[in-house]
Amino acid sequence: SYELTQPPSVSVSPGQTARITCSGDALPKQYAYWYQQKPGQAPVMVIYKDSERPSGIPERFSGSNSGTKVTLTISGVQAEDEADYYCQSADNSGRYWVFGGGTKLTVL
Amino acid sequence: DVQLAQSGVEVKKPGESLKISCMGSGYTFTTHWIAWVRQKPGKGLEWMGIIYPGDSDTRYSPSFEGQVTMSVDKSITTAYLQWSSLKASDSAIYYCARQGETGGQSLDVWGQGTTVTV
Repeated sequence: SYELTQPPSVSVSPGQTARITCSGDALPKQYAYWYQQKPGQAPVMVIYKDSERPSGIPERFSGSNSGTKVTLTISGVQAEDEADYYCQSADNSGRYWVFGGGTKLTVL
Repeated sequence: DVQLAQSGVEVKKPGESLKISCMGSGYTFTTHWIAWVRQKPGKGLEWMGIIYPGDSDTRYSPSFEGQVTMSVDKSITTAYLQWSSLKASDSAIYYCARQGETGGQSLDVWGQGTTVTV
């Protein structure tokens, strides 16, 4: 079955830039989505269609696609950004969706 | 306000059946896919499958095919996830989420989650 691969953890200091990657063979064909999940809460979508930001999401969140890898970038990281981040996409057929394993962002 | 309201905490025994619910409000229920997502304690999100309330078209992840059943009742804008025989390994938080207005695989509104303990 199709898989998306994320690093388990990323650590940055406040004010720095955090980059979280997600790799998958179908990413050149299928959009990627990113979700933020804080402890005890439901996930929240922070990026859709590779690089679009939903209303209400701070401008410091951005996304990019470079073939089989997509990247979530958080510029000027704040303490409140500490959370788990998940990428999501679909297989080549588009019928079966999948989440990456998640990346824990730690703000030092 | 677009909302998905899920049913409450469930504590069951192995072998028992269970049906949890997800009621949509504030939008046209029949035109947005509903996804079900499992999260085991301390683990990541797992896509279980999706159902289109308009015609009940359903797609299951191969990992969950035959293990659960998704259904909808359009008349009360509610989606369901059910098990015929629970196992201890089914203990998890189950989220429903709505396909976003932007389409594709976006999930823009999530329920609060239903905790199932077996």
